[in-house]
Formats: sequence, structure tokens, C-alpha cells
Amino acid sequence: EIVLTQSPGTLSLSPGERATLSCRASQSVSSSYLAWYQQKPGQAPRLLIYGASSRATAIPDRFSGSGSGTDFTLTISRLEPEDFAVYYCQQYGSSPRTFGQGTKVEIK
Amino acid sequence: EVQLVESGGGLVQPGGSLRLSCAASGFTFDDYAMHWVRQAPGKGLEWVSGISWSSATIGYAGSVKGRFTISRDNAKNSLYLQMNSLRAEDTAFYYCAKIMGQQQLKGGFDYWGQGTLVAVSS
Repeated sequence: EIVLTQSPGTLSLSPGERATLSCRASQSVSSSYLAWYQQKPGQAPRLLIYGASSRATAIPDRFSGSGSGTDFTLTISRLEPEDFAVYYCQQYGSSPRTFGQGTKVEIK
Repeated sequence: EVQLVESGGGLVQPGGSLRLSCAASGFTFDDYAMHWVRQAPGKGLEWVSGISWSSATIGYAGSVKGRFTISRDNAKNSLYLQMNSLRAEDTAFYYCAKIMGQQQLKGGFDYWGQGTLVAVSS
């Protein structure tokens, strides 16, 4: 089973700042089958990024994903008020699919 | 508009059973793999199980293998999760989720239901 470790656990930033979230895998994620999700309190997760770097439908271009192998990054170029939430990475290259434990982006 | 609506959650005693359902609309259900993901209150996401569009390929997390059974009825546009031998640690919101690619086994989950709460307690 591939274990995904996200860091930091919490990121305290101000609106307009840049957020950089990390997701490290215990073994290589095949074909960059990695996704990022955003979840707000009381809501279902929302797909942001798939294939490590492709934005999902209607996702603003301030969200970008990068990385390959075992190291992946989600970058939010300029935080908007609605971006404060919990973010999860997920690998879907091998079974069982696994999620990271999440990074909370909170308002500083 | 794609909609996924879960039902069937509730309070059950340890060792009991529940069957969750997910009613799908707004897309060609029998062209997409579907999954169940759960989230214990205040905790992170855990993939539970997935099934291909034709039911030919099925997978389970180790924590539920042998106790949970995923199935689908394409004629009814519905996904199911039969949960037996429930434990306290199965307490969670259960979401159904749709894979983004038509007739693809691998992909992100582009649509999610709002979840149904399963509480296992005596």
C-alpha cells in the first residue's frame, strides 16, 4: 500500500499570499496518477487536480499541481478567501487507492 | 447536472449490517466506474471500495475486505455498499463518488454525493 504524507499539517497564511502544499509517497506513483481535492466544512471534497498537474473542470488557474515519482506539490498562487480549507492528495495508480492525511490552510 | 444521492445510513449496533445506496443521475451511469469513500467525524478521507462500469473489476480497502460488498445496478442507475459485521471504527460519513473518465479504471473523483452517516454503537 502506498502511504501518502502531506506537509505541513497546517498552513497559516493571509489572503493574497502563496500557498505551497507537499505530498510525499512511500513509493513511486505510477504514471503520475495523483489527484488533489479541496474540502470545506460540511461539504464533500472537490476535485482540483488530476494526473498530478491537470486542472479539473472550472478550477481557477491560481491552482496548479506539479511533481512526479514520489514528490508532488499543490500551489495556490494567490489565496482568495474561499481557498481556506483542507486539501488532500490521493494516488490512484495502485490499489488500494490512498489519501494523504490532509493539510489545513487557515487564515493567519 | 450530475447528482449523486446517498441513503441508508443510520445507527447500528456492533456486529450489525447496513446497506447503503447511491442514486445517480445526469450522466450515463453504466459508462463510469464508481467508488465509496468514508470520513470519520473530524478525520481524513479513506477510500473504501470501487467497482468498474461493468462490475468486472472490484476492489476493497484492507480494513473492510471480507465484510463489505460493493455492487451496482446499471438499469436502476444505482450503486450499493452492503456492510456486514460492523465495528465502531466503521463510524463515518460514507460518500459515493464518480470517476472522471468514461470506461476508465483510473482517474480522479469528479463528482461526490453529500454523504450518509453510519454510526456503529451499542
